Amino acid sequence: DIVMTQSPLSLSVTPGEPASISCRSSQSLLQSDSGYNFLDWYLQKPGQSPRVLIYLGSNRASGVPDRFSGSGSGTDFTLKISRVEAEDVGVYYCMQALHTPYTFGQGTKLEIK
Amino acid sequence: EVLLVESGGGLVQPGGSLRLSCAASGFTFVDHAVSWVRQAPGKGLEWVSAISGSGGTTYYRDSVRGRFTISRDQSKKIVYLQMNNLRVEDTALYYCAKDRLPMTRGIDYWGQGTLVTVSS
Repeated sequence: DIVMTQSPLSLSVTPGEPASISCRSSQSLLQSDSGYNFLDWYLQKPGQSPRVLIYLGSNRASGVPDRFSGSGSGTDFTLKISRVEAEDVGVYYCMQALHTPYTFGQGTKLEIK
Repeated sequence: EVLLVESGGGLVQPGGSLRLSCAASGFTFVDHAVSWVRQAPGKGLEWVSAISGSGGTTYYRDSVRGRFTISRDQSKKIVYLQMNNLRVEDTALYYCAKDRLPMTRGIDYWGQGTLVTVSS
């Protein structure tokens, strides 16, 4: 199975400040024939189901504010929030979808200072 | 609007069985794979199983293979997860999730989940 490793596991950010989460995979998530990286980012707000933020490494999902961005390729990926808002609190997960079983990172808990 | 509504969870003794259902609406059902993902209390997300849009291909994580069976009814737009020989470690909130494509290539919508508790 592909192992996904996130860091940090917790973040405390002042509103208006940026935040960054790293996700590394134990093998490349780049599918050579398509050129796509099968890496998604999800946010699970307290008491809610997860919601997709970024798909295929860098594509913002519908309705996701443009302060969220995803980058990276191969085995190293980053989720950035340009200016954190109070509504961004929750746990962020990366997930690889190149091979089953899909595997998730441990989650990064974002709180507001 | 995409909707995924899970049902069938409950309290069951170790060794028992449950069948989860996921009723889908708001998208062309046959064009999308569907996954089940679980979350143990206070823990992270763990993918359990998936079925292709056609229903012809199924996938399982090792810990449930041989005990769980995923299936879909295209006419009713329902995905099932039959869970047999349940273990305490299967206790979790089980989410139904829609994949973006007919094959397993990532999830774009999640249901609200149904709680499975395995305890004596």
